[in-house]
Amino acid sequence: EVQLVESGGGLVQPGGSLRLSCAASGFTFSNYEMDWVRQAPGKGLEWVSYISNSGGTINYADSVKGRFTVSRDNAKNSLFLQMNILRAEDTATYYCVTDREANRGSAKRGEYWGQGTLVTVSS
Amino acid sequence: DIQMTQSPSTLSASVGDRVTITCRASESFGMWLAWFQQKPGKAPKLLIYKASSLETGVPSRFSGSGSGTEFTLTISSLQPDDFATYYCHQYGTYWSFGQGTKVEIK
Repeated sequence: EVQLVESGGGLVQPGGSLRLSCAASGFTFSNYEMDWVRQAPGKGLEWVSYISNSGGTINYADSVKGRFTVSRDNAKNSLFLQMNILRAEDTATYYCVTDREANRGSAKRGEYWGQGTLVTVSS
Repeated sequence: DIQMTQSPSTLSASVGDRVTITCRASESFGMWLAWFQQKPGKAPKLLIYKASSLETGVPSRFSGSGSGTEFTLTISSLQPDDFATYYCHQYGTYWSFGQGTKVEIK
């Protein structure tokens, strides 16, 4: 069974930092490109970042560029999001999501989602 | 960035109704469009990918169509389990999502 389990969320003051983790199991993590998507309370979905299966290609939404850093450890089947200089508008549930399965030619994206971890930025 | 605009934002319907949700893009990105269903407190669930391909296990009353900059999600006969929020999602250039359509009980 495919599982994505996020952790590391919590309450942080504006300007602070948090590191989110996503533990993957039930599939070959190193074959998948991955994304972080967030959802502010009562709002819609917002793409945050992308990382290729090797980690060699990374992209960010303009809203987090320069403040957030995505990384992965394929040996540990884990995805990370280092969030610095946090702002109130970063308050959201953060989901890790599967992207393309590399070298497979599948048209699916977003097939698997974690349950999300809530980040609250407030003083 | 590709902007996705869904309509309507809210839709009131009854069980058995045919429901259509539209998603318009600010520019073309081919057929790289998906639809998700989200229920309160849950992660989104993939329904449709590549504009019209039905995800495994999703009931056939769900269908997707469109190309270029206009896409639709249709539920042929609304069931009680279908009351939820639906999002379109383009993955042709990075990722972006529509603002969501809440399907409510009439």
